[in-house]
Formats: sequence, structure tokens, C-alpha cells
Amino acid sequence: GDSVTQTEGQVTVSESKSLIINCTYSATSIGYPNLFWYVRYPGEGLQLLLKVITAGQKGSSRGFEATYNKEATSFHLQKASVQESDSAVYYCALSENYAQGLTFGLGTRVSVFP
Amino acid sequence: GGIITQTPKFLIGQEGQKLTLKCQQNFNHDTMYWYRQDSGKGLRLIYYSITENDLQKGDLSEGYDASREKKSSFSLTVTSAQKNEMAVFLCASSIPFSQNTLYFGAGTRLSVL
Repeated sequence: GDSVTQTEGQVTVSESKSLIINCTYSATSIGYPNLFWYVRYPGEGLQLLLKVITAGQKGSSRGFEATYNKEATSFHLQKASVQESDSAVYYCALSENYAQGLTFGLGTRVSVFP
Repeated sequence: GGIITQTPKFLIGQEGQKLTLKCQQNFNHDTMYWYRQDSGKGLRLIYYSITENDLQKGDLSEGYDASREKKSSFSLTVTSAQKNEMAVFLCASSIPFSQNTLYFGAGTRLSVL
């Protein structure tokens, strides 16, 4: 079946430094999956951060960017300069069939300290 | 904007007990989902429903029943709670042809004594 592998566990980074969370995927269909980053801020529910449905395209939101790399089957999340408010758990996910929901990675907890 | 409401927020059960979790959405979305999240295991799909009265099994459906009697609501039943079980159950909804963007509720945290 489909699978998503992302940077494991916790990442700690200083405010104003750059951040990258790696995500690679394996999709079983012959088409291109839709790729997503979801985020859960402390005390809040899981919410969409960004999505890209076309290979080669880049998605961006709240200063974060991710590029759909079909050749490398990757969808890494990056931000040039993080803030304390970016502390959250980030999930990479893919979808092949609109009705069957998403396949998620295990999540990466990001802690940004001043 | 809409909202997905899950009740209860916290659920404490006894081993062998049947437990029901409820989810309501006012997005008017057709498709709804139940996911389970265990520590270190990410989110796994239990059941989903494409429309009212439709039920589809996900990868983790064994041990669960689901019910979608109305478009706006989707219930999940743990048929027999397992001792020391701890997990968070997340309900979500989406509209067709939206590239499968899911909107999530805040979750129900289950603990079984």
C-alpha cells in the first residue's frame, strides 16, 4: 500500500534559523498522488498547511514551502526563518483516491526556542 | 466557515465495554472519516463514509463499527475496549474533487482501565 516516511521524532531549532523536514513517499497507483502537509499547533486540531497536486509545483503557506518532486518521490517542508509560533507537530500525507482519505507519516514535532 | 465537533473530548472506559464516539460537521461535506492515532504510529484510517448511509472499511476496521445515519454525523463504536488501550480518535470530512483536503475535529482521547 501507500506509505509516507518523514523526519522522525523531534526537531529543535533556534528562532530565525532555517528548518527542513524531510518527506518521501511511496504510492501504489500509476498516477500522481496529491501531497499535503498538515500541522497541529498546541491545543488545536489538525489543519492543512499546504498541498500540491501537480508534480513539479511548489506549495507555500505561512512562510513554509514544499516542492513536489516526482523523480525523488519527495515533498520536503522548508522554512527559511522560523518563529516560536511555528512550534507544532507536522505531518506529511498523500492521497491517491479522493474518497479513501489520506495516508499520513508519523509526524515530526518541531520546537523553536528563542 | 464550518466546524467539526467531536464528543466526548475524553472517554474513559472499562475493559470489554462498548464505547461510542460521535462526530458532527456543519460543512455540508459528503465524505467523513475516522482515524485512530497511537503514540509513535501516526494516523490510521478506521472507517470512512462517502455519503449518508454509506460505510467503507479502512485498514484498521476490526474491532469497530460505524454509523452514518445523517450527512452531518458519523459515529464510531469500539465494540470491546481493550485493557490499557490509549489512543486519540480523529474525525474528518471532505468534499469530492477537492484534491482530498480533509478538515479535522479536535479529537476524542480514549483511555481504558
